[in-house]
Amino acid sequence: SQTIHQWPATLVQPVGSPLSLECTVEGTSNPNLYWYRQAAGRGLQLLFYSVGIGQISSEVPQNLSASRPQDRQFILSSKKLLLSDSGFYLCAWKMVGTVNTGELFFGEGSRLTVL
Amino acid sequence: KQEVTQIPAALSVPEGENLVLNCSFTDSAIYNLQWFRQDPGKGLTSLLLIQSSQREQTSGRLNASLDKSSGRSTLYIAASQPGDSATYLCAVPGSSNTGKLIFGQGTTLQVKP
Repeated sequence: SQTIHQWPATLVQPVGSPLSLECTVEGTSNPNLYWYRQAAGRGLQLLFYSVGIGQISSEVPQNLSASRPQDRQFILSSKKLLLSDSGFYLCAWKMVGTVNTGELFFGEGSRLTVL
Repeated sequence: KQEVTQIPAALSVPEGENLVLNCSFTDSAIYNLQWFRQDPGKGLTSLLLIQSSQREQTSGRLNASLDKSSGRSTLYIAASQPGDSATYLCAVPGSSNTGKLIFGQGTTLQVKP
């Protein structure tokens, strides 16, 4: 069976510090991968998606970047955090070839607080 | 532009009641609709996925229906239990070919013992 893991679960960082959140999917090959952010009162917003190694698309301009160095690894990064980057970050995946029809599965989330 | 609305925003019921959560969407040209559950501070758990060719899907005490033409879906929870307390979100694919989901704001359910 497939599983998805995110870490760290909780992170408190000062403004201007770097960020790295990691996500790994197990039990499937070449998944479609997604980073969403859930901010209080603003619902879920898609930040990045990837259909393959090294292929990253951004949905909204922002202070963050994403990378996919391996087939089942998805990383969310920032060089310098802003207060507005605080939020709950969720990694998700869909089975290859099901970009429009497939079921989306989420990880446990990473809570980021920028002070 | 696809928009998803969930009503009510919050719901409190006594244990044992059957209840219905509502989800509406503005663009009926969808491939499917997915219902999720989110416990406080946790990720989203997929409950049911209904493809556009289906009218309903069932999983245990949960039954989700889809009426594409009217832009509506309902999640029916039978014999509610305190463990059902959570936020329930519905989502439909966005118009771009990215797999992006457009989410409603959710319905927060409290089931009282």
